[in-house]
Order: sequence, then C-alpha cells, then structure tokens
Amino acid sequence: KAGVTQTPRYLIKTRGQQVTLSCSPISGHRSVSWYQQTPGQGLQFLFEYFSETQRNKGNFPGRFSGRQFSNSRSEMNVSTLELGDSALYLCASSAKTAPPPDTQYFGPGTRLTVL
Amino acid sequence: AQSVTQPDIHITVSEGASLELRCNYSYGATPYLFWYVQSPGQGLQLLLKYFSGDTLVQGIKGFEAEFKRSQSSFNLRKPSVHWSDAAEYFCASRGSQGNLIFGKGTKLSVKP
Repeated sequence: KAGVTQTPRYLIKTRGQQVTLSCSPISGHRSVSWYQQTPGQGLQFLFEYFSETQRNKGNFPGRFSGRQFSNSRSEMNVSTLELGDSALYLCASSAKTAPPPDTQYFGPGTRLTVL
Repeated sequence: AQSVTQPDIHITVSEGASLELRCNYSYGATPYLFWYVQSPGQGLQLLLKYFSGDTLVQGIKGFEAEFKRSQSSFNLRKPSVHWSDAAEYFCASRGSQGNLIFGKGTKLSVKP
C-alpha cells in the first residue's frame, strides 16, 4: 500500500497570504488528522476529519481550517498568514475502526515558510 | 491535562552501545502509547505501540519498549545502536479525543 502523501512538500509565502495544503491518506483509511510541528511548541494537534466531518479540533485560531472530501483526501487552509505559522505541517491517517484505539501513520509533511 | 514527558533533549551514544530513551506519561486510565522516529526533513515513522497485554513490546529496526504502569513510563530501548539510528524520537499518548499528545522529543546522536 502506498503511504500518506502530502503536497506540496515545500511552500514559501508572505505574511497576509493564505495557503492550502493537501493530504491523501492510505487507501482505505477514513480518518485524517493534522499536526503542526515547530521547534518551540513541538508537535501540536490541529484537527481531525472523519467521513468528511471535523471530529476534533485543537487549540488553534480560526485562521486554521480544513475539510475532507468523499475520497478521504483532506486539505487544510491557513488564512492571513503570520510569521509564527512557519512550521512543518504533518498529516496522519488512520483506519478509525471501532472500538479505539487506532494507529496514526504520518506523511512526509509540508514545510511552510512565511516571510 | 494529559501530558507526555521526555526528560532527555539530546543523547549521544557510541555505535554498538545500548540505548534507552525515557518517556513518562500522565493519564489515569489505561494509556495507549507510541514511539515514533523522525529523520531530518522527514515525517514520523511508527516504531512501536502499546495498547494492552504484554508490557514488553517489540518494534521495527530492533527497538523494544517496556510499559511500566507503576512508574508511568514507556521507555524505548535498543541493545546495539547503529549510525543510521541517529534521528529524533518522539513518545506519544492517545488523548481523550483520539488525537496524539507528543513529548518534546529526544535527539539521538551516534558517535562512530
């Protein structure tokens, strides 16, 4: 099976712009989670999508949003970019079979640099 | 709030030496615990996981971890480190919402 894929791998944006990142989960996986990784804050949970619905959300401002499509692919959007949004954004997919727990498998990440 | 602590920010070991990376978690119920490894510029690769049962868990690349409820620990071990093991290692616990809660990571350097 192919792993989790994320596009693009690298992005450079300027303050005030918006950006969209894409994630394709492992085939058959229905849950996609997003995490932000920075040197200062480490790995922090952004949100999770399952069957096109946002299930859980971390403690991030409303500028961070996402969605999931019927084929389980997910996108996250960051509007009005700030310098502090520079980070590695990681997507993780899981099968989300009941009952929990499930295992999350990560993609290679998108490195976002905000200038 | 749930938390995961990795007390060691950076560890250096000689190639061929044994390795132990420490991880402590805080959670009242049975925790679901994971170790991931990240090479520079890469995503996270799952090394092993503990859900229940045998407290000694085997993973990929010769790693193992032991769950000790009495110490709230889930330490990662490897008997003989290879230069290719140099990377950053993250311990994680499943949060109540299903998300992963990560420790700050331990960077492993390997001396030739």
